[in-house]
Amino acid sequence: SQTIHQWPATLVQPVGSPLSLECTVEGTSNPNLYWYRQAAGRGLQLLFYSVGIGQISSEVPQNLSASRPQDRQFILSSKKLLLSDSGFYLCAWSVLGGQETQYFGPGTRLLVL
Amino acid sequence: RKEVEQDPGPFNVPEGATVAFNCTYSNSASQSFFWYRQDCRKEPKLLMSVYSSGNEDGRFTAQLNRASQYISLLIRDSKLSDSATYLCVPTASGGSYIPTFGRGTSLIVHP
Repeated sequence: SQTIHQWPATLVQPVGSPLSLECTVEGTSNPNLYWYRQAAGRGLQLLFYSVGIGQISSEVPQNLSASRPQDRQFILSSKKLLLSDSGFYLCAWSVLGGQETQYFGPGTRLLVL
Repeated sequence: RKEVEQDPGPFNVPEGATVAFNCTYSNSASQSFFWYRQDCRKEPKLLMSVYSSGNEDGRFTAQLNRASQYISLLIRDSKLSDSATYLCVPTASGGSYIPTFGRGTSLIVHP
């Protein structure tokens, strides 16, 4: 069966510090991968998606970046965090484009102080 | 018009009640539709898929009205454990890889 992992679960970082969140998927090959952010009391905002190794599409201009160094690994990064980067970061995968179900990881709760 | 619109609620209902949520979408080419459930401080999880006119799973019924471009979710005999936010997701069409999530409808079931 397929599983998706995210870490860390919780992170408190000072403004201006770097960020690296990792997401890995097991039990499937060539998944589509997604990074979302959910601010408190808000909906899901798609940040990045990837259809293959090294292929990243950005949905919203951010001080964030994403990379996919391996088929089942998706990394979200920032060189300098802003207060507004606080939120709940969710990684998700799907099998076929946007037509199929998305499966979410447990998320990382980030607080920038 | 927003791509996906949902009444944020909250819908406050007693146990045993029947409650329905609607979701309207703007992309008439959307082909697949999903309802996700998100518990507080947790990730969304798939509740139901809707590929044709509707789908039923136990106490949950999802219906699709393509002409009016809305999807509904009906919950019968509400349980306390049904308290959550319900997210509507019409998927992208035309080869795009971007599903569009609604902001969700909050349901609170009280004793």
